[in-house]
Amino acid sequence: QLQLQESGPGLVKPSETLSLTCTISGGSISSSSYYWGWIRQPPGKGLEWIGSIYYSGSTYYNPSLKSRVTISVDTSKNQFSLKLSSVTAADTAVYYCASQGVEWELRTWGQGTLVTVSS
Amino acid sequence: QSALTQPRSVSGSPGQSVTISCTGTSSDVGGYNYVSWYQQHPGKAPKLMIYDVNKRPSGVPDRFSGSKSGNTASLTISGLQAEDEADYYCCSYAGSYTVFGGGTKLTVL
Repeated sequence: QLQLQESGPGLVKPSETLSLTCTISGGSISSSSYYWGWIRQPPGKGLEWIGSIYYSGSTYYNPSLKSRVTISVDTSKNQFSLKLSSVTAADTAVYYCASQGVEWELRTWGQGTLVTVSS
Repeated sequence: QSALTQPRSVSGSPGQSVTISCTGTSSDVGGYNYVSWYQQHPGKAPKLMIYDVNKRPSGVPDRFSGSKSGNTASLTISGLQAEDEADYYCCSYAGSYTVFGGGTKLTVL
């Protein structure tokens, strides 16, 4: 059974870069059935899709975040990662990683990790 | 890339049916049959309930159904149960990216 787990710092200073990793178990990041995505949810607010990546390295980003986002994949570790640069308090959110099917549905989600942007 | 429009809240009594709407544009909901719906209980990760407008993943009760007409998609929950009380989000492919609705809080009275 596919499982995903986010990891990374829970506190990031303003203007710095937020970095998170998602580790996949019970499946291969090289599967042709999935893309791998990041989604976030500010406290008390709705969901926002950040972007996704295919194991080959093809990436797709939310146009509103594209200038600050980089998603990468490490097939040797069965992981994919998110980097969000120049963060502000508005980037404080629970960040989720998820498997994304070819019809762009988000099938399996990690439990989420809260990242707070504060000095 | 505006968020899709959902009602902020809906409610219904156990056993009744409720429908949650999700309005977009011809560039997202109206342009593709890649609409999905997610259920989120407080403090939990979202769960996929419907994809491709009206398909249910394995394990999702057939009380949950989806449809689409023009630029508006809908999620219908029939035979409401207490455990259906949650937030529901629609989501649509919009041409190389995905956009969510603002979310709807379902209260089971």
